[in-house]
Amino acid sequence: DAGVTQSPTHLIKTRGQQVTLRCSPKSGHDTVSWYQQALGQGPQFIFQYYEEEERQRGNFPDRFSGHQFPNYSSELNVNALLLGDSALYLCASSGPDYNEQFFGPGTRLTVL
Amino acid sequence: AQSVAQPEDQVNVAEGNPLTVKCTYSVSGNPYLFWYVQYPNRGLQFLLKYITGDNLVKGSYGFEAEFNKSQTSFHLKKPSALVSDSALYFCAVRFPGYSTLTFGKGTMLLVSP
Repeated sequence: DAGVTQSPTHLIKTRGQQVTLRCSPKSGHDTVSWYQQALGQGPQFIFQYYEEEERQRGNFPDRFSGHQFPNYSSELNVNALLLGDSALYLCASSGPDYNEQFFGPGTRLTVL
Repeated sequence: AQSVAQPEDQVNVAEGNPLTVKCTYSVSGNPYLFWYVQYPNRGLQFLLKYITGDNLVKGSYGFEAEFNKSQTSFHLKKPSALVSDSALYFCAVRFPGYSTLTFGKGTMLLVSP
């Protein structure tokens, strides 16, 4: 079992650009959550997908959007990038038991 | 307001000594509590959780945590620290009615030889 995988590992963009991050959940998991971890901070919840729909959303602007595919993998899209979007983006997957959330290694996004 | 706090930015301990990393929470109802560890340039690794039952929870790598409802705390402990325990530790809470986690800001643990 490969666990939760994310791609790419690192990404460098410039202000105003758009970015897409990808996540494959752990085998058997159908729920994917995305978190943003800014430098020196704890992860902040962005949104959660289940059955290809956004189920919950944190306090993030509409520039942050996502998608879940039939195979449960997910994408996080960020439009009109700002310098403040620079962070480690973490994906977590879970099954019916929300108390078992497994995290991927993250994607480090740098916005210049 | 529901929240979770880690009052210490950094904890320093000598190898072989016991360690404690503090976590407190504020919530209406019964929370589900977690500890995760993060090594440099890595994702989060699950250490342990409290859902219900015995207030002392044992987890991975010799760590344990004690749930104290009256003090609304969930401190992480280990009887004998190792240099390899040096990492960033996060306390997290799943509030009643939510399926997502709310994290504290993290505590850096430094274990000296």
